[in-house]
Amino acid sequence: EAGVAQSPRYKIIEKRQSVAFWCNPISGHATLYWYQQILGQGPKLLIQFQNNGVVDDSQLPKDRFSAERLKGVDSTLKIQPAKLEDSAVYLCASSSDRGQDTQYFGPGTRLTVL
Amino acid sequence: AQSVTQLGSHVSVSEGALVLLRCNYSSSVPPYLFWYVQYPNQGLQLLLKYTSAATLVKGINGFEAEFKKSETSFHLTKPSAHMSDAAEYFCAGCSSGNTGKLIFGQGTTLQVKP
Repeated sequence: EAGVAQSPRYKIIEKRQSVAFWCNPISGHATLYWYQQILGQGPKLLIQFQNNGVVDDSQLPKDRFSAERLKGVDSTLKIQPAKLEDSAVYLCASSSDRGQDTQYFGPGTRLTVL
Repeated sequence: AQSVTQLGSHVSVSEGALVLLRCNYSSSVPPYLFWYVQYPNQGLQLLLKYTSAATLVKGINGFEAEFKKSETSFHLTKPSAHMSDAAEYFCAGCSSGNTGKLIFGQGTTLQVKP
């Protein structure tokens, strides 16, 4: 079974530029999560999708971050414009359902904002 | 509000020694609890999870954790450390009935000395 795929693995941009990350979850998984992991901290949930609907985006900085999951499969997370404090690893995870179902994580995208 | 606290950001043990990584949670109801491991430049991998079926949970790679409600703890242990156990470990929790949103601790880096 293929795992969660993410691209790119690394991205370096200047502040005020825009960037997009892509995630393809495990086949058949209805729930998809985007987490932000700042160096030295645990991951923090940005947004959660159930199929193509948003379940929780309470911690998503909506003035600059956006995410979509068209057709309920893969997802993109966008930052526009980026700030220095957005430097982090962006992790995508998926699970077969919500609740206590195991979340499977992708390798992450490491973003550096200069 | 639920929170997860990991005591000790860095733990160093000798190869063959006991591994003990501490995690305490704050919740008004018994939560679901997880331990994840993260190797450099990789995503998070589930070690084990507690979902109220049994207080002593066995996971992969010889790790286990015990849920102690009276102490609100979920410490991770392994009887004998291997060099390959060197990684970062995250404790996470979510409340029953929750959407699945994981609250992570800040992580503990395990160093294994030869």
